[in-house]
Amino acid sequence: EIVLTQSPGTLSLSPGERATLSCRASQSVNSNYLAWFQQKPGQAPRLLIYGASSRATGVPDRFSGSGSGTDFTLTISRLEPEDFAVYYCQQYGSSPWTFGQGTKVEIK
Amino acid sequence: QVQLQESGPGLVKPSETLSLTCTVSGGSISPHYWSWIRQPAGKGLEWIGRIYASGSTSYNPSLKSRVTMSVDTSKNQFSLKLSSVTAADTAVYYCARESNGGVIVVWGQGTLVTVSS
Repeated sequence: EIVLTQSPGTLSLSPGERATLSCRASQSVNSNYLAWFQQKPGQAPRLLIYGASSRATGVPDRFSGSGSGTDFTLTISRLEPEDFAVYYCQQYGSSPWTFGQGTKVEIK
Repeated sequence: QVQLQESGPGLVKPSETLSLTCTVSGGSISPHYWSWIRQPAGKGLEWIGRIYASGSTSYNPSLKSRVTMSVDTSKNQFSLKLSSVTAADTAVYYCARESNGGVIVVWGQGTLVTVSS
């Protein structure tokens, strides 16, 4: 199975700052089938990005995804108060689907 | 807008079988893939497996020997059974719908299942 490693584990930033989250795969992700999810406490995850770089419906354009092969990045251009949450990457190119361990974006 | 709702016992005894059902509203169970995902408290997400509306399945090898998924198109429901549970199976269980490409696009609210005697 493909192991996804996210870094850093925790990102401490202030509102208005730029956040850069990394997701590295143990082998190439087929067709760049890589998604990013946001999860807030007590809530189900919410799809932000699919296909490595396509924004899901209703996702603000301050969220962007990039990368290919084994290295992927989620960038939040200017953090809003509602963006402080845990972010997971997930690959759906090879079964079993797998998730990274998550990056927590916390208020500095 | 499709909505998903998990239901089932919140407490299961060790060695018994966990059974959950996901009811789909606002859309048809066909022709989509449906997944089960779980999350232990304070931990990350684990994909359990998926089932197509026709009944074909794909399971995570780490759980395959204990997992059975089924679908009931007449009730617009799909189900998860996990046998021989232990405390390690205590988690919030989510049902979800995939897009044609396999993206998990809709999630249920999740249901906490605790394994304890």
